[in-house]
This record gives sequence, structure tokens and C-alpha cells, in this order.
Amino acid sequence: GAGVSQSPRYKVTKRGQDVALRCDPISGHVSLYWYRQALGQGPEFLTYFNYEAQQDKSGLPNDRFSAERPEGSISTLTIQRTEQRDSAMYRCASSLGAGRNEKLFFGSGTQLSVL
Amino acid sequence: GQSLEQPSEVTAVEGAIVQINCTYQTSGFYGLSWYQQHDGGAPTFLSYNALDGLEETGRFSSFLSRSDSYGYLLLQELQMKDSASYFCALTTDSWGKFQFGAGTQVVVTP
Repeated sequence: GAGVSQSPRYKVTKRGQDVALRCDPISGHVSLYWYRQALGQGPEFLTYFNYEAQQDKSGLPNDRFSAERPEGSISTLTIQRTEQRDSAMYRCASSLGAGRNEKLFFGSGTQLSVL
Repeated sequence: GQSLEQPSEVTAVEGAIVQINCTYQTSGFYGLSWYQQHDGGAPTFLSYNALDGLEETGRFSSFLSRSDSYGYLLLQELQMKDSASYFCALTTDSWGKFQFGAGTQVVVTP
């Protein structure tokens, strides 16, 4: 596709359930980022990958959150035993290169609601 | 750690000029970026400053002063479609890790 694709677009789940959010970056993009964005706030860094290597996961809130990008393309963000405080927009972004002057291309996000 | 501060909201009329300031505290960074986000949309890249000085891209310009720990985004000849949130973001490692500010909502009135 032409842009970063995220699925599902909306996810409603019950507290305690596990969820998996998928991100398909722009073809050929080396770096992939996961952010969380609350309404009226800026994107909050969670983790990022260069190729299949998870470069930094310091933004993951706790050990219920994990991410992988096994083949250096599609990535999955998994939240185990979801809690209501996990409700937010989860955004994926990719960049062509792995460098400090790269521009990020964001996907439309997955709106997660934990009931 | 790092912190960025931006005004929460700026209102201006069509055709005017708006400057959105971004002040930061950090032990080190590689550059300052700006992103635009319309309501219900995804953030989109506007500009990047690696060095001190002014970068111009059409009606938008961005400025960085490392000595003052300060940058700004200048929006000229404001149009209604410029109503959006604008975020500054620090690049905090050489691989491209970005930390975003809370954003400034720009409201353009007729």
C-alpha cells in the first residue's frame, strides 16, 4: 500500500483480555515506531525497531506490553491482561532510513477501548 | 530525560502570521522536528532542523537555537486549512528516536 496500514481501526475489549495490534509499514521502510496518543496530547513513545531489531523499548509502560517485528516488516504490539487505563489511540509510524533526520509517516491508528 | 513545552492554543485570523514556540530541556539531541495533525487525522511531517537557523518550506518556516534551547514554527498567510494541532519533537538518539511535545492547537478564524 501507499501508506502505513494499521489494523484493526477500532478495538473494543473487556478488561483482562489480550489484544494484538498490527502495523504494516510502507514497503522498504527500515524503521518502525509505536506511539500511544491520548486525546489532546502528543504521541507518547513506546518502542521502535530498525529492521527486525528492537532498538529501544524504554517507553513500554510495563511488562504487559510487548512488540515484535520478526521479519523486519510487519509489527505487532501486544497488550496482555488489558486494563481500562490502556484505552488510547495506538499509532504506528515508519521511516525510510534509520537516522536522526528521518521523517516519520504515521498510520491512522488503532483506537483501543477497554471496558 | 527530556521535556518540551509548547503553548496549548493559539488563535489567529486568516492571512495572519502565527509563531508557535517550543522550549526544551534535554541533555542532548540531534534535531527538532515539527508535525501537523488535523482533528481525527494522523500526524504529518512538516520540517526538521538539525542546525541552528531558519528552514523555510513554502508558507511554513522552522527555527532552532540550541544556545537558547528554543525553536519555533512560523505559519505565514494563514489559511482555514491550517487549523490543526502542531507538535515539536526532539530526535534523542542517532537511530531516530523521537520525543513529542504536547502540541499547540492553532485555530484560524475568518
